[in-house]
Amino acid sequence: GAVVSQHPSRVICKSGTSVKIECRSLDFQATTMFWYRQFPKQSLMLMATSNEGSKATYEQGVEKDKFLINHASLTLSTLTVTSAHPEDSSFYICGVERGVSRSTGELFFGEGSRLTVL
Amino acid sequence: AQSVTQLGSHVSVSEGALVLLRCNYSSSVPPYLFWYVQYPNQGLQLLLKYTSAATLVKGINGFEAEFKKSETSFHLTKPSAHMSDAAEYFCAVSVDRGAQKLVFGQGTRLTINP
Repeated sequence: GAVVSQHPSRVICKSGTSVKIECRSLDFQATTMFWYRQFPKQSLMLMATSNEGSKATYEQGVEKDKFLINHASLTLSTLTVTSAHPEDSSFYICGVERGVSRSTGELFFGEGSRLTVL
Repeated sequence: AQSVTQLGSHVSVSEGALVLLRCNYSSSVPPYLFWYVQYPNQGLQLLLKYTSAATLVKGINGFEAEFKKSETSFHLTKPSAHMSDAAEYFCAVSVDRGAQKLVFGQGTRLTINP
């Protein structure tokens, strides 16, 4: 069964509003989660690394004030898209490292969240 | 810096035919390599991974991949395609083995013709 869950799977919002996406590890603790963004028919681009109990690490070119990441517990990371605009419409996917996979780089991915900003 | 190149954004094969999806990597250190599959509007599912053990790696759903250091390749194959194999396939390399940052290739969309 799934080990990582994302919610919501789909969200439509008006321009200027904020949207929160949750990523939960279901049966293990995750000190690190990764947030990816995928545009239509394109690959996944890493946005940021979410670290439990500390600030997220953002990739170059990703606005940290635009994409707020909170990793308050060992099973939950949230991505908040603030003041969303149509160009933020995308598929957002979280990837979670598991304790036993830490030495290999394998990530377990959520189902993804499709954001549409009108 | 590590990178991955997938040759062919779209591959089309007949049902029952051989599937071959190409992936070449660039890495300054021995890499960890992965193939993931993505069905429409879903997340990614791990097909198989190479972690410096056997160079021929067997995965789920009949897929396998061979790590060839001399060719810097990690091509994905399946002897006989099934309609359910139609999906997007991503090759990925682990950047900085301790940090687990995955870098993905551009993806290859596999279409199966009846």
